[in-house]
Order: sequence, then C-alpha cells, then structure tokens
Amino acid sequence: EAGVTQFPSHSVIEKGQTVTLRCDPISGHDNLYWYRRVMGKEIKFLLHFVKESKQDESGMPNNRFLAERTGGTYSTLKVQPAELEDSGVYFCASSQWGLGTEAFFGQGTRLTVV
Amino acid sequence: EDQVTQSPEALRLQEGESSSLNCSYTVSGLRGLFWYRQDPGKGPEFLFTLYSAGEEKEKERLKATLTKKESFLHITAPKPEDSATYLCAVQAGNSGGGADGLTFGKGTHLIIQP
Repeated sequence: EAGVTQFPSHSVIEKGQTVTLRCDPISGHDNLYWYRRVMGKEIKFLLHFVKESKQDESGMPNNRFLAERTGGTYSTLKVQPAELEDSGVYFCASSQWGLGTEAFFGQGTRLTVV
Repeated sequence: EDQVTQSPEALRLQEGESSSLNCSYTVSGLRGLFWYRQDPGKGPEFLFTLYSAGEEKEKERLKATLTKKESFLHITAPKPEDSATYLCAVQAGNSGGGADGLTFGKGTHLIIQP
C-alpha cells in the first residue's frame, strides 16, 4: 500500500512568487492534515480536512496560505505571494479514524523562499 | 496553551547502552500522546499512541510509558540503526478547545555509536 506522497520534494522560489504544494494521502483516509516546520522550531499544525471539508484551519498563519481538497482525495497548499519567513518543510499527514488516532506522514516538501 | 518539552535535546550512546528519553507535557484534556521517529530528509514515522496514565507499549527495542505529566521512551540495547530524532506529540481533547492537530516537541536527536 502506498504511503502519503508529497510533491515536489524541494522548491526554491523568489519572494513574491506563488508556489503550490500537493499531497496525496493514503487511499481511504478521510482525514488529511498539513503541518510545517520552520528552521530550529518544532513541527506546527496548519489545518485539518475531513474529506473535502476544512475541519480546523486555526494553525494557518495568514491569508496568503490557501488549502484545498477538492473531491476529498488529494490536497493542495498554495502560498501566494511567498515571503521569506514561509521557508521551511511542509508535511502532510493522513489518518483513517481521525482525532486521537495515528496519522501517517509524507516525506515533506522543503520550501525555500529567496 | 498545550506544551510539549522533550529532553535531552541530543543523546549519544554506545551500542547496547540502554537509556530513556523524556517527554513532559501540559494539555487541556489528553486525547492521546504519540511517539514518532524521524530520519534525516524524511517525514515522521509513527511508533506508538498512549491514551491513559499507566499505559505501556513495546516494539522491538522500544518501550513507551505514560504518566499524567510525562512519557518516557525507553530504548534497550540500542543498535546503530536506532539513530534518529524521536518526536513526542500530544493531541488535546475537545473540552480544552485545542486545535485538531498534534502539538509536537522539538525532539531528541539520538546517536548510537557502534
């Protein structure tokens, strides 16, 4: 069974540009999470989808970040326009049973804004 | 606000030298405490979930325990392949009003020397 897959693995963009990250969860997992780790800090929660609905987006840093999950399958996270402080590793995770159960992480997308 | 503190930040052991990693937490109603392993350039890999004080879980050379204030990850007779960063995370219950996502600690970087 395939795990959580993220694309691209690395992205380097200039300040002010737009970047879209993609996450393909484990098949059948209704719950999808986005997290971010910035340099030297712990991994931080961004948002949670249940199927195509945003269940909790309290961790989204500002309105330059837009997450979607059309059809309840894969998800995208768009940053527009990117700022230097958006650099970090963005992780996606999925789980079958939701809160309080194990979530499986992708390998992450390393975003560098220059 | 939910908090997770892991200690030590880094630990270097000889192969076969047993030790414990600590995770202290404060959370408004614990829904679950999670241990993950992370290798360089990869996403966190799920190890254990603990739900209530007194619970213990084992997997190969690893054993996780939970009290009302902290969790320990005991590693017995470690091998070089156990070298990784070990992450602790908590999920708060709904009554605490916390976010859906996990609150992570910064991790313990474990090195096992042959």
